[in-house]
Formats: sequence, C-alpha cells, structure tokens
Amino acid sequence: KQEVTQIPAALSVPEGENLVLNCSFTDSAIYNLQWFRQDPGKGLTSLLLIQSSQREQTSGRLNASLDKSSGRSTLYIAASQPGDSATYLCAALGRTGTASKLTFGTGTRLQVTL
Amino acid sequence: DTAVSQTPKYLVTQMGNDKSIKCEQNLGHDTMYWYKQDSKKFLKIMFSYNNKELIINETVPNRFSPKSPDKAHLNLHINSLELGDSAVYFCASSQAGQGKGTEAFFGQGTRLTVV
Repeated sequence: KQEVTQIPAALSVPEGENLVLNCSFTDSAIYNLQWFRQDPGKGLTSLLLIQSSQREQTSGRLNASLDKSSGRSTLYIAASQPGDSATYLCAALGRTGTASKLTFGTGTRLQVTL
Repeated sequence: DTAVSQTPKYLVTQMGNDKSIKCEQNLGHDTMYWYKQDSKKFLKIMFSYNNKELIINETVPNRFSPKSPDKAHLNLHINSLELGDSAVYFCASSQAGQGKGTEAFFGQGTRLTVV
C-alpha cells in the first residue's frame, strides 16, 4: 500500500528565500508524481507533473525533481514571495489492481513573510 | 471554461438527510474520481470511474453511491447523512489509458456540513 509523507509539515520563511519541500513515497512503482497547491478554502491547483521516466520538471520559479529508486521528490521554490503562501501537496500515481490511483501526501503549509 | 466543475460549492444539511453533489469535466478524460478531505486536510480517494465503470471503491460506507451517466459526469449521492460526513469533497479527472495516468485536474470542492 502506497504511503506518501511530506516534511516539513509547516514552514515559515522570509520573502526572497529559496526553499525545498520534500515528499517521500513507499512504493516506487509509480506512473508519475504531481505537485499541487491549495489555498485556504480553495481547490487544488496543479503545479508540476513528473512522469516516472523523468528526473525533473520546471515551471517558472518552481522546479520539481523525482528519484524513483529512493522514493523521493522535492519541490524547489526560488525567490519566494508572499503569494506563494499556501499548502503544497504531492501525490503519487500508482497502480491498484487494474486501475490507477493518486495517493496524496500530508501536505506542507508554507508561509512567506514580508 | 472551468475544466472540472462541481456543484454545489457549499452544502449545509441536517443529519439523516440525503444529498447529491454533481461533477462535470470538459477535458475529454476517461477517468473521474471522488476524494474526501477531512478536517486535518488529508485527501483520500473514495471512488474512481473509468468510462462509466466503477474501478476503485475504497471501503466507503454504502450510504455513499456514485453514479456516472457518461464519462464526463460523476455524481455522488449520500444517504442518511451523519455528522462524520462533514468534509470537503473533491471531484477530479485524468486520462488513465492502460493503467497509466496523465495530469489530474481537480474541481473547487464541495464543503459539506452536517448539523
């Protein structure tokens, strides 16, 4: 059974800092790994998708890496801004029977202060 | 155009009532999901449908009954609502295809409060 863990659970940084969010998963047989952002009271916004055959993906100030063999992914945020404040979720897509299922991590709540 | 839309956004109801949440996706995806986000913000899958066929049912009480009239719609009906059903319910879709998956897109969520 896939288990996804994110550390830290919460993080507060001053504006302008670079930061790394960590995601680990127990079953390395995944199809892809997706990072989401969730603002309070809102839905999930997809940030980056890394296929199992890829090592990293970049979008603007965000860079996500994937190391399947060690069961780890990281989300790097460069030059953080107050608008980056949100909860960040990683989710691993794996197989269950004949279906595929996204298993979510516990989330990292990020606050970027002025 | 909203890719995955669900209605209503908020739902407040009394214990014992029956309610439905509707979801529609216009992405042409073949797989749709219902997820539940509890008070601790943890997201857990409830159901998954592929081309109108139920493929995942994660030990959800049978008071919850999903229905997929076509592959663009997945509704969730809940009978005899209980206080513990209070949560945010998210609908999502992706293109599965032979067990693999593309990017999943989520609706804005339905905040259900049972009083």
